[in-house]
Amino acid sequence: EVQLVQSEVEVKKPGESLKIACKASGYSFTDYWIGWVRQMSGKGLEWMGIIYPGDSDTRYAPFFQGQVTISVDKSISTTYLQLTSLQASDTAMYYCARPYSSGPWGQGTLVTGSS
Amino acid sequence: VVMTQSPSSLPVTLGQPASISCRSSQSLVHSDGNTYLHWFQQRPGQSPRRLIYQVSNWDSGVPDRFSGSGSGTDFTLKISRVEAEDVGVYYCMQGTHWPYTFGQGTNLEIK
Repeated sequence: EVQLVQSEVEVKKPGESLKIACKASGYSFTDYWIGWVRQMSGKGLEWMGIIYPGDSDTRYAPFFQGQVTISVDKSISTTYLQLTSLQASDTAMYYCARPYSSGPWGQGTLVTGSS
Repeated sequence: VVMTQSPSSLPVTLGQPASISCRSSQSLVHSDGNTYLHWFQQRPGQSPRRLIYQVSNWDSGVPDRFSGSGSGTDFTLKISRVEAEDVGVYYCMQGTHWPYTFGQGTNLEIK
């Protein structure tokens, strides 16, 4: 059974950095693209970027290029989303998901910027 | 690619049909000949779940009361008879042109 399990809620101060994890199980991690989707409160869905764990080939949506970093640790089947210099506008739910495959998304990680 | 859904809100009586339209700002036919238009359901408080892929193919476990159709830039999701568990927001998504983009969502509610 495919599972994507994300790290828990994060509350950060503006200017801090944050790294969210997504641990995959139930399939061959290195064979499937995986990525991150942002959902701001009450809003729609936005692909931020995707990565192929086999060779770390990464594509970023232009809006997020330079603002976030997506990486993997193949040894523990985990994908990361790093947000630097958090702003209040980064407050959102972040999901990991496989863009080209069926199967569940991660449960979401709520990131809240709080002063 | 801009994806435009209509309506934004869809009140439906239980047992009645429902239809959601999705239009793209450019053709979604990929150079490989496939059309990467998918439909997602997001129930309240849950992660999105893919229902339909490549216009008209059901994902595993999706009831056959859901169906997808369309081509080029115009696509439709239909529910033949709405059930209570269908409440939520529905999104179309294009996976042909990077960055992949979603429609703004259609909120299906029971009248």
